Amino acid sequence: QVQLRESGPGLVKPSQTLSLTCTVSGGSISSGGYYWSWIRQHPGKGLEWIGYIYYSGSTYYNPSLKSRVTMSVDTSKNQFSLKLSSVTAADTAVYYCARAYGDPRVYFDYWGQGTLVTVSS
Amino acid sequence: DIQMTQSPSTLSASVGDRVTITCRASQSISSWLAWYQQKPGKAPKLLIYKASSLESGVPSRFSGSGSGTEFTLTISSLQPDDFATYYCQQYDSYSFTFGPGTKVDIE
Repeated sequence: QVQLRESGPGLVKPSQTLSLTCTVSGGSISSGGYYWSWIRQHPGKGLEWIGYIYYSGSTYYNPSLKSRVTMSVDTSKNQFSLKLSSVTAADTAVYYCARAYGDPRVYFDYWGQGTLVTVSS
Repeated sequence: DIQMTQSPSTLSASVGDRVTITCRASQSISSWLAWYQQKPGKAPKLLIYKASSLESGVPSRFSGSGSGTEFTLTISSLQPDDFATYYCQQYDSYSFTFGPGTKVDIE
């Protein structure tokens, strides 16, 4: 059973960079066949796909966030990461990492528990 | 971007009721649609993919139908564990977008 767990600071100051890591267990990121994604949910709101990365390092980002997003993968640690720069209060949300199945059309079959990131000084 | 809408936004129902939620896409997405269930404080859970394919382990009372721009999620007999918010997601084209959600609560 694949499990994902997000980790990182729960509080980030405005204009700084939000950094989160997702650790995958129960399966290898480098086995291929899946994309590794970040999705966020603003408090009391719907879901927004941020982007995904393949084990090879190929990425695709939501065009609305593309200028501020960087994703990376560390296959030796079975982890992938998200960096979101120049954050504002509008980036306050629960951030989920998820496994995405498909190519390139994907849906999300396994999710982490989510981590709340608050942007505030 | 493809915009997704859902109706109703809130649905009040009782245990044993047949429940139907509708999801509409702003343009045709063929059958590239998934449904998720989310409970408060929890991550979404995949129920249906490719419009009508039931994810492994999901009870058979859940079913999905539709293609093109109009889709439905049906719960044939609502159970206590089904009170939650349901989201549709299109995956026909980047960027993958979700509907605003339908909350199913107790009547």
